[in-house]
Amino acid sequence: DTGVSQNPRHKITKRGQNVTFRCDPISEHNRLYWYRQTLGQGPEFLTYFQNEAQLEKSRLLSDRFSAERPKGSFSTLEIQRTEQGDSAMYLCASSLEAGVNTDTQYFGPGTRLTVL
Amino acid sequence: AQKVTQAQTEISVVEKEDVTLDCVYETRDTTYYLFWYKQPPSGELVFLIRRNSFDEQNEISGRYSWNFQKSTSSFNFTITASQVVDSAVYFCALSEIYNQGGKLIFGQGTELSVKP
Repeated sequence: DTGVSQNPRHKITKRGQNVTFRCDPISEHNRLYWYRQTLGQGPEFLTYFQNEAQLEKSRLLSDRFSAERPKGSFSTLEIQRTEQGDSAMYLCASSLEAGVNTDTQYFGPGTRLTVL
Repeated sequence: AQKVTQAQTEISVVEKEDVTLDCVYETRDTTYYLFWYKQPPSGELVFLIRRNSFDEQNEISGRYSWNFQKSTSSFNFTITASQVVDSAVYFCALSEIYNQGGKLIFGQGTELSVKP
């Protein structure tokens, strides 16, 4: 049974550069979530997809952030013109939603971004 | 608005002591889920339990037990006979089902340190 995977695990970049992260969810899961976690805080919701449709975006997701989930499989999160305040752990989670029930979200290991 | 409060930032115990982690939540929805996740030093969030708002029955799983009380909006987590391997940051989270797409609202976490 393969869990949620994320790549890369670590990314160091210079301010102003663009970065892209990838998330591969558990294969049968139709929902995919992105969260951001800064040091000493709980994860904060960024956005989520139901299959290939992006259904909600947080106010935390500025115009420099874009997420995609082509074909409803893996997802990418891109940050353009990175700023030092973007330094955080970016977590991906997936779940299987059926009707009105909500299933448990399972998390990947995260991508730790450091912006110099 | 929804909110999760974990008032205990850090707890330190000696091995074999019992420890309770507090979680208080706020929501206007009548249907919601509550979760606990463990985040060991490796960083990956590990799912521990999910409880829906209609089920106030307490649950025990090995050394872990959970006390859900709607009257006080609390969902506390107790570890009995703690072990060094229990050292981690523990997060309580809330999910409002119908209007919020199942996204998780996390507390700030409680860092548990179990000393030998």
